[in-house]
Amino acid sequence: QKEVEQNSGPLSVPEGAIASLNCTYSDRGSQSFFWYRQYSGKSPELIMSIYSNGDKEDGRFTAQLNKASQYVSLLIRDSQPSDSATYLCAVRPPNYQLIWGAGTKLIIKP
Amino acid sequence: GAGVSQSPSNKVTEKGKDVELRCDPISGHTALYWYRQSLGQGLEFLIYFQGNSAPDKSGLPSDRFSAERTGGSVSTLTIQRTQQEDSAVYLCASSPGQAEKLFFGSGTQLSVL
Repeated sequence: QKEVEQNSGPLSVPEGAIASLNCTYSDRGSQSFFWYRQYSGKSPELIMSIYSNGDKEDGRFTAQLNKASQYVSLLIRDSQPSDSATYLCAVRPPNYQLIWGAGTKLIIKP
Repeated sequence: GAGVSQSPSNKVTEKGKDVELRCDPISGHTALYWYRQSLGQGLEFLIYFQGNSAPDKSGLPSDRFSAERTGGSVSTLTIQRTQQEDSAVYLCASSPGQAEKLFFGSGTQLSVL
């Protein structure tokens, strides 16, 4: 069974702090990893993709991938109230469709 | 259009009725997905179309659910004899290819009374 695990939260972080979201996956051969943000009542939108081990930075967002340990994380620096949302991790095993985690609810407290 | 378009945005139906949900993907996108999301829950995969290949129907919850994609573009998800547990948001997403990122439509909120 191909699985993607996330802590459901809620994760509460003070404004301006770093929010750290984690995701583990079961299929060691997975090659593509995505973080989507979903505001309440809205559809998911892609915020980060990562394909190689290490860090990938985009503005205040950093995705980290460790294939040996089978985890991918998302760091949000200088957290803003507008970052409050549910963050979905998605993983693509080889020759298979995306597998989704259930999401982590993030709350940024002003 | 510029994005994935879904219609209707809201659908209220009576138990036992059939419903059709429509998805118009981004032009040129070969991959199309249907997901279901219940309140406060994650995405539940329903069906996946990729080009001219046979669709992956492994996520359809029962034989009351079916979907088709005509001409490699517009897709219709049909739910026959709707039940109250079918109430959810039905999301469609398209992608340029199998390994590319997904672009989601705004969803159809289905309420079965």
